[in-house]
Amino acid sequence: QVQLVESGGGVVQPGGSLRLSCAASGFTFSGYAMHWVRQAPGKGLEWVTFISYDGTNKYYADSVKGRFTISRDNSKNALSLQMNSLRAEDTAVYYCAREDRVYYFDRSGYTFDYWGQGTLVTVSS
Amino acid sequence: SSELTQDSAVSVALGQTVRITCQGDSLRSYYASWYQQKPGQAPLLVLYGKNDRPSGIPDRFSGSTSGNTASLTITGAQAEDEADYYCNSRDNSGDHYVFGTGTKVTVL
Repeated sequence: QVQLVESGGGVVQPGGSLRLSCAASGFTFSGYAMHWVRQAPGKGLEWVTFISYDGTNKYYADSVKGRFTISRDNSKNALSLQMNSLRAEDTAVYYCAREDRVYYFDRSGYTFDYWGQGTLVTVSS
Repeated sequence: SSELTQDSAVSVALGQTVRITCQGDSLRSYYASWYQQKPGQAPLLVLYGKNDRPSGIPDRFSGSTSGNTASLTITGAQAEDEADYYCNSRDNSGDHYVFGTGTKVTVL
């Protein structure tokens, strides 16, 4: 069965760095685009970043662009998120999620069909 | 980037029907997906595309899209359906994705 397991969360001071990892299993990792989504305490879901199946395309939310870097190692079924210059507002549970796509005659759909359990990042002095 | 707007909260009597809406310009180009999230848990995909449910999701969950509005309907709501529900889609820019503001569903 599909499994996504995040790790690497913790407490970091403002301006610090942290690297999150997501270990994938139960599917052909190299065939799927992947995302990171976060959720601040008591708040809604916020999309953070996307990486294509082969790593050639990467997109970032405006709130993290220039500070966060997504990467993947298809040989190790691993997804990573390097977070630099962390701010208090980056405090959240970070989820990795798999993307699936569906196509219809009138429009397409992009869905996050599997999610990890999340890892908590706390930015505080 | 685009926004997806949802009602903040709705309530439904046990066994009755409730509809949750999601409004945004990106829905004219892309179908929404819907996620259920219970406290302390990761989001769970419950509906996607035109009106498709992942394996294991009860058929009381259904969806529709008209113009810039997507809807999730729970027909015969059960106590276990009490949760936060989020819609999401790809953004019209093509290089961003967006989540709705979320709807808290209370089953009375």
